[in-house]
Amino acid sequence: DQQVKQNSPSLSVQEGRISILNCDYTNSMFDYFLWYKKYPAEGPTFLISISSIKDKNEDGRFTVFLNKSAKHLSLHIVPSQPGDSAVYFCAASDNTDKLIFGTGTRLQVFP
Amino acid sequence: GAVVSQHPSWVICKSGTSVKIECRSLDFQATTMFWYRQFPKQSLMLMATSNEGSKATYEQGVEKDKFLINHASLTLSTLTVTSAHPEDSSFYICSVSVTGTSYEQYFGPGTRLTVT
Repeated sequence: DQQVKQNSPSLSVQEGRISILNCDYTNSMFDYFLWYKKYPAEGPTFLISISSIKDKNEDGRFTVFLNKSAKHLSLHIVPSQPGDSAVYFCAASDNTDKLIFGTGTRLQVFP
Repeated sequence: GAVVSQHPSWVICKSGTSVKIECRSLDFQATTMFWYRQFPKQSLMLMATSNEGSKATYEQGVEKDKFLINHASLTLSTLTVTSAHPEDSSFYICSVSVTGTSYEQYFGPGTRLTVT
């Protein structure tokens, strides 16, 4: 039972444009959400997070939006850069230390 | 954040042998560490929660006798894959939970295990 889903396995965006990565979850007990970036053969790197009491959090080029009623969150990257090309995972926590990860979306930013 | 290292970065072993993977928290005393496994093109699957000074907590479906976890100090957790088989070949990643910073985990670089 996949509690955190990323339905788009891949996304291709032109440099300078906006990248939007989506994530859906099923467990209403999740109250904290995170995005991680991962390169092949490396561990994930923390990008940005959001608490369920907020609907938006921004950090530089990265913004995460949370729609609790729809159980949906998204990561916006603008402007996209070639160095952003990686696999992006969303993750959720239900007020415990454990994180449940989504299936990942491979982002490719081309010139 | 926290800086986490893993050793080795990659290992090849023969079927039936055991392999130990180390996870070190270099700048943070971690009472809790996590071990994940990632198969190619799949998500990170939590295997177990490693607690300093006590037994690890394993996720459903993970054999605790096959994946031995020891968290003897606040900076070191080890995962031993016993009697490894080719199906154990995977990418193993550990993470540190930095309590008080809203559930963020900081990950090591991972260990690629190949069992022949």
